Amino acid sequence: QKEVEQDPGPLSVPEGAIVSLNCTYSNSAFQYFMWYRQYSRKGPELLMYTYSSGNKEDGRFTAQVDKSSKYISLFIRDSQPSDSATYLCAMSWGSGGGADGLTFGKGTHLIIQP
Amino acid sequence: EAQVTQNPRYLITVTGKKLTVTCSQNMNHEYMSWYRQDPGLGLRQIYYSMNVEVTDKGDVPEGYKVSRKEKRNFPLILESPSPNQTSLYFCASLGRDRGFNEQFFGPGTRLTVL
Repeated sequence: QKEVEQDPGPLSVPEGAIVSLNCTYSNSAFQYFMWYRQYSRKGPELLMYTYSSGNKEDGRFTAQVDKSSKYISLFIRDSQPSDSATYLCAMSWGSGGGADGLTFGKGTHLIIQP
Repeated sequence: EAQVTQNPRYLITVTGKKLTVTCSQNMNHEYMSWYRQDPGLGLRQIYYSMNVEVTDKGDVPEGYKVSRKEKRNFPLILESPSPNQTSLYFCASLGRDRGFNEQFFGPGTRLTVL
């Protein structure tokens, strides 16, 4: 079983829809959970960062962590064509990097149809 | 502007011909790392460096070397490239500019080894 599982998609939804992106993981030691967005031919950029369980909201984006189920989600409200990208989840047991390392999901390719 | 730069952005080479991919960051970050990204495999860490003259292996270090002689630079060296090193490479630096450990990724280097 891989440490982090993420459906590669593609996930195609109409503009304005609510998008739900998910990752499951097996290592219960993970404490820090991140979502990165990667546009084609670009490097990943950090979207959301959550410590432990709970929800975090930033504009149209909401990140949820359920440590009991080992499941994290990213919701995008009022989706826009500019949200079309690959979304990578990442997690670590330490403070988000350094010697603790980051374990990435393989990414979900999201397409928002105008 | 805070950024991580990589050069070259694209490189086509032949098996066995030594090459270096440069990486530079202007944020005075101590921690830097290299990743490769492959379809179906996601992002995997090659090497990382906690500070000048301190480097360590990531998940897939075979066939690569790194050096960290200055804080801002972290070159990736392929002494005898092979076709299985054809990949998209990202350099990243880690900082706490927003109050948490955040990885800043460079724009990527697409390497093809023939």
